[in-house]
Amino acid sequence: KAGVTQTPRYLIKTRGQQVTLSCSPISGHRSVSWYQQTPGQGLQFLFEYFSETQRNKGNFPGRFSGRQFSNSRSEMNVSTLELGDSALYLCASSWDLQMGNTEAFFGQGTRLTVV
Amino acid sequence: EDKVVQSPLSLVVHEGDTVTLNCSYEVTNFRSLLWYKQEKKAPTFLFMLTSSGIEKKSGRLSSILDKKELFSILNITATQTGDSAVYLCAVEARSYGGSQGNLIFGKGTKLSVKP
Repeated sequence: KAGVTQTPRYLIKTRGQQVTLSCSPISGHRSVSWYQQTPGQGLQFLFEYFSETQRNKGNFPGRFSGRQFSNSRSEMNVSTLELGDSALYLCASSWDLQMGNTEAFFGQGTRLTVV
Repeated sequence: EDKVVQSPLSLVVHEGDTVTLNCSYEVTNFRSLLWYKQEKKAPTFLFMLTSSGIEKKSGRLSSILDKKELFSILNITATQTGDSAVYLCAVEARSYGGSQGNLIFGKGTKLSVKP
């Protein structure tokens, strides 16, 4: 069974640009969550999608957005990149985290560096 | 505001030692607590705890939850160099009138096991 796949693994962008990251969940999983991980803040929740709908959103500015497709694959977009957006972006999939008692499985992450 | 606090932030031990990692939380409408191990990028799932006092065990690792005192511990016995990693504690919460599908993470405990 394939795990959660994130692409690309590494990305370097300049300030002001935009970026799109992709996440393919484990087959059969319908819930996809995105997290930002930085040394100072740890893992912080960005948003969660289920059946192409955003169900929950963390405390991030509107520059951070996402979507989910009918095959459960998800993308997140960051516009007008800032230096502080440099981080490891992790995607997690689960069958349905809101059902409770179902663990989330993480991808390898995308390391974004903004210069 | 919901929060998860882990201690210690870092720990250095020698092979064969036993370690205890702590996780306390203040989360409204607690649903479950999860432990992850993060070595390089993808956090890997260790345990999910939902009930107080029931120990979960996997090899040399074990964990228990105390929902009255709002904490969990992760024990690792006979540590090995391969146990070196950041151990993350996360809590899943739910709010009435709407449900959350996100995990609230602690900052992690960095464990270094010396040969």
